[in-house]
Amino acid sequence: SYELTQPPSVSVSPGQTARITCSGDAWPKEYASWFQQKPGQAPVLVIYKDNERPSGIPERFSGSNSGTEVTLTISGVQAEDEADYYCRSADSSFISYVFGTGTKVTVL
Amino acid sequence: EVQLVESGGGLVQPGRSLRLSCAASGFTFDDYAMHWVRQAPGKGLEWVSSISWNSRRIGYADSVKGRFTISRDNAKNSLYLQMNSLRAEDAALYYCARDCQTFTWVYGMDVWGQGTTVTVSS
Repeated sequence: SYELTQPPSVSVSPGQTARITCSGDAWPKEYASWFQQKPGQAPVLVIYKDNERPSGIPERFSGSNSGTEVTLTISGVQAEDEADYYCRSADSSFISYVFGTGTKVTVL
Repeated sequence: EVQLVESGGGLVQPGRSLRLSCAASGFTFDDYAMHWVRQAPGKGLEWVSSISWNSRRIGYADSVKGRFTISRDNAKNSLYLQMNSLRAEDAALYYCARDCQTFTWVYGMDVWGQGTTVTVSS
């Protein structure tokens, strides 16, 4: 079955850069999106279509696609960015989706 | 205000059925694909099912295929998930979500409800 692998955790100091990777075998064809989820809250879309930011999402959030891996970068991390982050993509037929395993970002 | 409100969750015995609903407001419902995503307690997000704006394209996770049915009523601005033959592993918070662009289904989900909880236990 199709799987997307993320590191379980990433720790970063305020003002530094956090990078979260998401590995799968279909990135060249499929678009990635990224979601932020804080405890007790619904997920929030922070990146879609690989590198587009929805309105209201700070510019410090960015996405990239290198071919076999996509990355969410949070530049100048702030305390409010502490949350779980999930990547998501579609499979090659576009009729099913997979979420990544999730990464807990801790701001030291 | 763009809003999604789920309902229909509850406690159900294994093998029984439940129907979830999602009421949409604040946007042109029949322009958007819609999705169901679930999250078991302490676990990650799991995609469950999706339906295109015109119901012509539907997808299911392997874990629910053959047991769950997604549908929508554009006249009522509503999304549904009929869940049959429920199992303990189906217990989760079920979210309804909207796709982030009209007339597509691949880019992401930008509007989420607060979820409805399904508990499967005897």
